[in-house]
Formats: sequence, structure tokens, C-alpha cells
Amino acid sequence: GAVVSQHPSWVICKSGTSVKIECRSLDFQATTMFWYRQFPKQSLMLMATSNEGSKATYEQGVEKDKFLINHASLTLSTLTVTSAHPEDSSFYICSAQLGVGQPQHFGDGTRLSIL
Amino acid sequence: SQKIEQNSEALNIQEGKTATLTCNYTNYSPAYLQWYRQDPGRGPVFLLLIRENEKEKRKERLKVTFDTTLKQSLFHITASQPADSATYLCALADSSASKIIFGSGTRLSIRP
Repeated sequence: GAVVSQHPSWVICKSGTSVKIECRSLDFQATTMFWYRQFPKQSLMLMATSNEGSKATYEQGVEKDKFLINHASLTLSTLTVTSAHPEDSSFYICSAQLGVGQPQHFGDGTRLSIL
Repeated sequence: SQKIEQNSEALNIQEGKTATLTCNYTNYSPAYLQWYRQDPGRGPVFLLLIRENEKEKRKERLKVTFDTTLKQSLFHITASQPADSATYLCALADSSASKIIFGSGTRLSIRP
């Protein structure tokens, strides 16, 4: 149980392109979903927290107009990297949480490479 | 500021021995602490959660301790196997549990 699917697993695209990443909880309804960014050999850095039907809460230093988050249902959240540039290249990971105080269950990440 | 430190960047252990990983934190009063395993190119996988009022938790070959006085958690893998080789992350959450903060991880290698 507690499976989270993230799609696509990798993306290579040109600078200026917008890229959408989907995160789905397959067998449970997630009250909260989280988006992280991870650089090589570093830990996960929380970008934003999203609850279904409300605006995402962004961490300090994360541009909300650059990283658009939509949480339309209890099983789906999307992250759109708008007008991506090479410095946005990274490993993006989502997680979903059943409820407060519960573990987070992670997708397998999306490797984004902007040329 | 809140800080989480995992004892070493990398740990090399002989197969069959017990691997012990350390997670220390400062300027934080977590309500619970979690340990995750992450393999290269994959998302973290949840292993164990321990709450502030619990001293120890076990799951098969895994054991976690939580000392809120020392502000430290220890993560043990007994009878370690090469398949246990991975990066292990500790993560803390406060009582609001609105988000969790991850440590930088310890890369564990179990040699045959």
C-alpha cells in the first residue's frame, strides 16, 4: 500500500520550455502533498506544501510564479516549472501524506535537464 | 536556526556486523522522527517512525532509538547485508507536522 506515482521520470528540454510533473497517490487519498528538489549528494530541500483545494505554501526562496503547483484532487498534485532554464535542472521528488503525523510516501522522482 | 546532522557522510561496514547511524539535531523540539532509505536515482522509502514519548522502535533487523535529552536518534541495522547499502535519511517533524526537515543523509556501504 501507499504507492505514489510520479511522471515523467525524466525530461530533457530546451531552455524556455515549461515542464509539468504529475504526482499521484495510487491507493490512498493524500491530505497533503509535498514537492522537493534534490541536488547530487545532497538532501531533499522542501519547495512547497500543498493541500487539496487550497493554494500551496512555498518555502522561503522558492519563486511561486516559477514553480506553479496545482492540487486539484486528493490523489493528484502537479508541479509546473515555467520557462525553465539550465539552473532549474535538478531531481524533483514529490511525496504524499495520508494525515498529520503520518509518514510521507515518495514518488521515484523526475530528473529534469534543461539544455 | 534548526539544524539536523547525520554523523558521517559515508559509512563502510563488513557484512554481518551491526551498522549504527546517528542523527543529531539542534534548535528543534520534534514531535516525531523518521528514517528513510534512498537508493540512487529513486525517491526515499519510509522505514520507521518514532514519537517523542517513545524510546525505541524495532522492525525486523532495524532498530531506532530517540533521546530527546541528548537530541539524538540512533538507527541500527543488525546482521547487515550488501542489499542494505543505500543512503539513509533522518527527518524531523514538529507537533504541527506541517512539514518535515531532512538531514543530509549517510551513505552506507556493506561489503561482502
